[in-house]
Parts: sequence; C-alpha cells; structure tokens
Amino acid sequence: QVHLVQSGAEVKKPGASVKISCKASGYTFTSYAMHWVRQAPGQRLEWMGWINAGNGNTKYSQKFQGRVTITRDTSASTVYMELSGLRSEDTAVYYCATDAVTTLAYYFDYWGQGTPVTVSS
Amino acid sequence: EIVLTQSPGTLSLSPGERATLSCRASQSVTSTYLAWYQQKPGQAPRFLIYGASSRATGIPDRFSGSGSGTDFTLTISRLEPEDFAVYYCQQYGSSPGTFGQGTKVEIK
Repeated sequence: QVHLVQSGAEVKKPGASVKISCKASGYTFTSYAMHWVRQAPGQRLEWMGWINAGNGNTKYSQKFQGRVTITRDTSASTVYMELSGLRSEDTAVYYCATDAVTTLAYYFDYWGQGTPVTVSS
Repeated sequence: EIVLTQSPGTLSLSPGERATLSCRASQSVTSTYLAWYQQKPGQAPRFLIYGASSRATGIPDRFSGSGSGTDFTLTISRLEPEDFAVYYCQQYGSSPGTFGQGTKVEIK
C-alpha cells in the first residue's frame, strides 16, 4: 500500500525559506516521478514541479523557477521541496504526489497528507 | 497556459440523485489529457479519472467521465453520502498542468 508522509506544519517570516519532506513507502521509489502541488486558501490547486526519483532530474513551473528546489534521497525514499524568498502569497497547503505512470504523465494517483505553510511577519 | 472553468460552483443534491459536473478549457486539451479528483475537507485530493474517461483503480463505476476538446463532464450516477465533496478537473496535456477552481457537491 502506497503511503506518502509529509513533514509537519511550518510558520515562516517573509523572505525566509521552507523545506518540506515527503517520505514514500509501498512502491519502488525510483520508478515514479514525485510532484509538488500547492493549494492556497480559496485558490485552485497549483502544480509546482517534479523530480525523477531515479536520476534526480527536475522540472519546475515557470512561476516558481528560481525559488523552488526539489531534491531526493533514494536511501531514505524521501523527496524534499524547498521554497525560498517566501511571501504572504505562499501561505498554502503543500502536497507531494506521485505521478501515475512510470513514463511520466503529469497526473497524480497518490498524495501526501499535506503540509500547511504560513508566511507571516 | 490553459484555464479550466468548472460549473456550477456548487451543486445541491440529495443522496441517490445524479450529479453532472462541467469542466471547460480555454483551448483544446491535447489528446483528452484530463483528470478528475475528489477532495473532502482537511484531506488530500483523491484521484478519480484520467484520460477524460478512464476510472482510476478502485473507483466505483457510478463515477464516469466524458468529453473531448474543450468540454468535459464528470457524472456521478447515484450520489452516495461519501460523494459529497469538492471535485477538481486537471489538464495535463500542456505544460504547466492546470486545475479548475472546483465544484462543490453538497447535500440538499
């Protein structure tokens, strides 16, 4: 059974960085890309980027390019998402989610429980 | 980027009724690359449909998807109590993948 367990809620000041982890189990970690999607209050879901858990290649949404970094630790079956230069508009729940197919399809079958991030001075 | 507009914003129905949710794209969605998700309060989205009409593993057959081009529909044939939630469509044919704003299905 696939499980994605994310790190806990964060409160950050504007300009700071946040790093969220997502520990995967129940499947071959290196076979599926991991995506990050966020949901700001009252807003629609927003795709941020993905990492090829096998070779570490990444692709980011242009909106977050330069501010987001996704990495992985294959020995721990864990993916990390770091967002820098935080502003109040980054207040959201951040989700990790597995790509549904090994060849990369950009739709998501398993999701983490979400990590709330609050940016406030 | 492709903008997805879902309608109605809220659908008030009773258990046992049929729900029809619409998702309209600002431009044609490549190869019916459209997915649907269900989200309940405080929970992560749940994957329902991909390729516009294929059900994900374990999804009951009362959920069905249809459509192509710019117009897509999610139909729930007979609402069960656990189906009352928010539903999102997502296109993944053009980068970046984008989501609709959601349709809330609430108990009448």
